[in-house]
Amino acid sequence: AQSVTQPDIHITVSEGASLELRCNYSYGATPYLFWYVQSPGQGLQLLLKYFSGDTLVQGIKGFEAEFKRSQSSFNLRKPSVHWSDAAEYFCAVGGSGGGADGLTFGKGTHLIIQP
Amino acid sequence: GAVVSQHPSRVICKSGTSVKIECRSLDFQATTMFWYRQFPKQSLMLMATSNEGSKATYEQGVEKDKFLINHASLTLSTLTVTSAHPEDSSFYICSATTTAEGQFFGPGTRLTVL
Repeated sequence: AQSVTQPDIHITVSEGASLELRCNYSYGATPYLFWYVQSPGQGLQLLLKYFSGDTLVQGIKGFEAEFKRSQSSFNLRKPSVHWSDAAEYFCAVGGSGGGADGLTFGKGTHLIIQP
Repeated sequence: GAVVSQHPSRVICKSGTSVKIECRSLDFQATTMFWYRQFPKQSLMLMATSNEGSKATYEQGVEKDKFLINHASLTLSTLTVTSAHPEDSSFYICSATTTAEGQFFGPGTRLTVL
């Protein structure tokens, strides 16, 4: 069975500092990996996705993520966070349907930005 | 970009009543839609996969007779919570896929059962 682990429930970062959110997955085949952001009362917005190819993926809002098969990881990074980045971040893994399968989500990481 | 809407955004109902939630893909056709459930401060759990014109596929542990899903067209899927009880109170989120682009999520529906 596939699973996603986000080991950090909360992370606090100062505005302007760099950010890394961790994600580890368990999946039997080549995974399709996603990062979503959810603001309070809002739906999920796709930040970036990895299907194949270059293991360093660029997303929206200045985010990037790196797929490391050997470590079963797909960590999300941003070089300089803004107060507007405060939100809940979810890592997810899907099957082989090119994103057309139901996703398995991690429990999420709550990002707090300090002024 | 691909936009998915849900209606209503918030609903309060009495125990024992049924509630219908709509999920629409506004600017694309979605052969597959998904329904998720999110408890407070927790992750999203996949409930079912809905394909246009066919029966929904439910995840293990999800009661198909309680959570009725209809995918009548390429832009509309509905989730009906039948005989709702307080434990059904949750945030229900749908998503629609364009296959190549992955899933696009609706804003969610907050269901409160009194």
